[in-house]
Amino acid sequence: KAGVTQTPRYLIKTRGQQVTLSCSPISGHRSVSWYQQTPGQGLQFLFEYFSETQRNKGNFPGRFSGRQFSNSRSEMNVSTLELGDSALYLCASSLSGTSYNEQFFGPGTRLTVL
Amino acid sequence: QQQVKQSPQSLIVQKGGIPIINCAYENTAFDYFPWYQQFPGKGPALLIAIRPDVSEKKEGRFTISFNKSAKQFSLHIMDSQPGDSATYFCAASGREYGNKLVFGAGTILRVKS
Repeated sequence: KAGVTQTPRYLIKTRGQQVTLSCSPISGHRSVSWYQQTPGQGLQFLFEYFSETQRNKGNFPGRFSGRQFSNSRSEMNVSTLELGDSALYLCASSLSGTSYNEQFFGPGTRLTVL
Repeated sequence: QQQVKQSPQSLIVQKGGIPIINCAYENTAFDYFPWYQQFPGKGPALLIAIRPDVSEKKEGRFTISFNKSAKQFSLHIMDSQPGDSATYFCAASGREYGNKLVFGAGTILRVKS
């Protein structure tokens, strides 16, 4: 069974640009969550999508947005990039939307903002 | 109240030692406590998880101890090996949070051979 895939793996952007990251969950998984990982703030929850609906959102500005498609694939978008957005962005998928399901993480997309 | 406090930040043990990583939480709505292991260049992977209705859970060399009254839980790695060198994260969630995980800051473990 293929794991969670994220594309691209590495990305370099400049301040003010926007970026779109993609996540393909494990086949059959309907929930996709996104996390930002930085040395200073650790792992922080961005948002979760289940059956194309945003179920939960973390404390991030509106520049961070996402969506989920009918095949459960998800994208997140960051507009007007800032230097502080440099981070590893992780996607996690799980079978359903309850908290007791194992979440499987992808390898992440390393975003560098110059 | 959403925080999970994890200690120590880093830990060095000899092969065969038993590293212990501790976490504490405040939010009594949390009722699911997983531990994740992360190697460089990889995403976190679930090691073991516990619910508050049990005080201890073992899976292979990994044991979670849970103290509901103190709102603390810890990870013990028995007979640690150099291959266990990684960053370990505790996390917490609850029914009302769906799949949202609140993570501790992480512990960098190095097992010396």
